[in-house]
Amino acid sequence: GAGVSQSPSNKVTEKGKDVELRCDPISGHTALYWYRQSLGQGLEFLIYFQGNSAPDKSGLPSDRFSAERTGGSVSTLTIQRTQQEDSAVYLCASRSGQGVGSPLHFGNGTRLTVT
Amino acid sequence: DAKTTQPNSMESNEEEPVHLPCNHSTISGTDYIHWYRQLPSQGPEYVIHGLTSNVNNRMASLAIAEDRKSSTLILHRATLRDAAVYYCIRHSSNTGNQFYFGTGTSLTVIP
Repeated sequence: GAGVSQSPSNKVTEKGKDVELRCDPISGHTALYWYRQSLGQGLEFLIYFQGNSAPDKSGLPSDRFSAERTGGSVSTLTIQRTQQEDSAVYLCASRSGQGVGSPLHFGNGTRLTVT
Repeated sequence: DAKTTQPNSMESNEEEPVHLPCNHSTISGTDYIHWYRQLPSQGPEYVIHGLTSNVNNRMASLAIAEDRKSSTLILHRATLRDAAVYYCIRHSSNTGNQFYFGTGTSLTVIP
């Protein structure tokens, strides 16, 4: 079956512009996560959606970052007034439920470059 | 706060077994241990997970210490395609279902 799909795969933007990154999770997966990975670093948690519950936004680095998940499926991560330090790979993952046994399924990420 | 500790890097010869260690000394009784790996230019992929007992699947084996303060991911015969960064993660639904990734272990496989 289809995996997690992210678009675009690459995005180059000028400092100060807004960007939107899209994630299509695996059909039926109720949980969706966004992570950020800077060059040579591990994954930094950003935000987590579970069903219709309020999202866990505790990892968002500033109020320039926001995310929404429409209809419990597709998610969009928005970065306003981008800065050079926002350059990173943004990874989305989904999983099938709240149980600790279900694994994360990742997309291949969006590589964001802010010039 | 990754809550796990792994060596930054390891090397292995091709076709030999690899033992990747992970320390999680503050683990609670309900935390699962998950392992993921990330190949270059890809998102992480699930490898294996377990709670108390040792686990085997087609990719690897997971050996969990009796006190659960450490675990070891075992690749039985390393191939060049196993060269990746391996992440050991504690996961508990009691902590908001977050998966905290550390910096992982970068595995180099020598032909």
